[in-house]
Amino acid sequence: DAGVIQSPRHEVTEMGQEVTLRCKPISGHNSLFWYRQTMMRGLELLIYFNNNVPIDDSGMPEDRFSAKMPNASFSTLKIQPSEPRDSAVYFCASSRYRGGGYTFGSGTRLTVV
Amino acid sequence: ELKVEQNPLFLSMQEGKNYTIYCNYSTTSDRLYWYRQDPGKSLESLFVLLSNGAVKQEGRLMASLDTKARLSTLHITAAVHDLSATYFCAVDIAGNQFYFGTGTSLTVIP
Repeated sequence: DAGVIQSPRHEVTEMGQEVTLRCKPISGHNSLFWYRQTMMRGLELLIYFNNNVPIDDSGMPEDRFSAKMPNASFSTLKIQPSEPRDSAVYFCASSRYRGGGYTFGSGTRLTVV
Repeated sequence: ELKVEQNPLFLSMQEGKNYTIYCNYSTTSDRLYWYRQDPGKSLESLFVLLSNGAVKQEGRLMASLDTKARLSTLHITAAVHDLSATYFCAVDIAGNQFYFGTGTSLTVIP
């Protein structure tokens, strides 16, 4: 198994631009999670899906953030418009529901200038 | 509000020494996970603890869980440089939603 695949690995964009981060979970995992990691705030859960359905998006910081999971093998996290304070590493993780722990992707390092 | 607290936040230890990292959490849970993160890398699963009294060992690391005390420990035996990393505990709430601790940055010095 190739693990959780995220793209791009690095993204540098200008303030105000739209940013789309992508994630392919492990086949057979039916839960998917988006986390943001910064030095100041640590690991923050943004949103998670069970069976492609968003369950809890209370961690999404603002309306500028949106996430979708159109099918079991793909999810996106979109920021529009982006701001410098959105600079962070964004991780996607997947798991089997109710057990087994998470498998994390390699992360996307986002820099908004 | 759920709190997951680790201490210490930073740990510098000499090779060959022993030390323990603590993870306290504020709500009922019988599932706890430990992860390792190397600088600039992703999180790697180390241990899965699924019941009170669970103990897991891998090499120089041993993790335990006391659900009554809401405490997990990660014990390091005879530290080596390769163990330098940041270690996170994560508490599983509601069956599949993790809350991560603040992380403990470990540096092992010769």
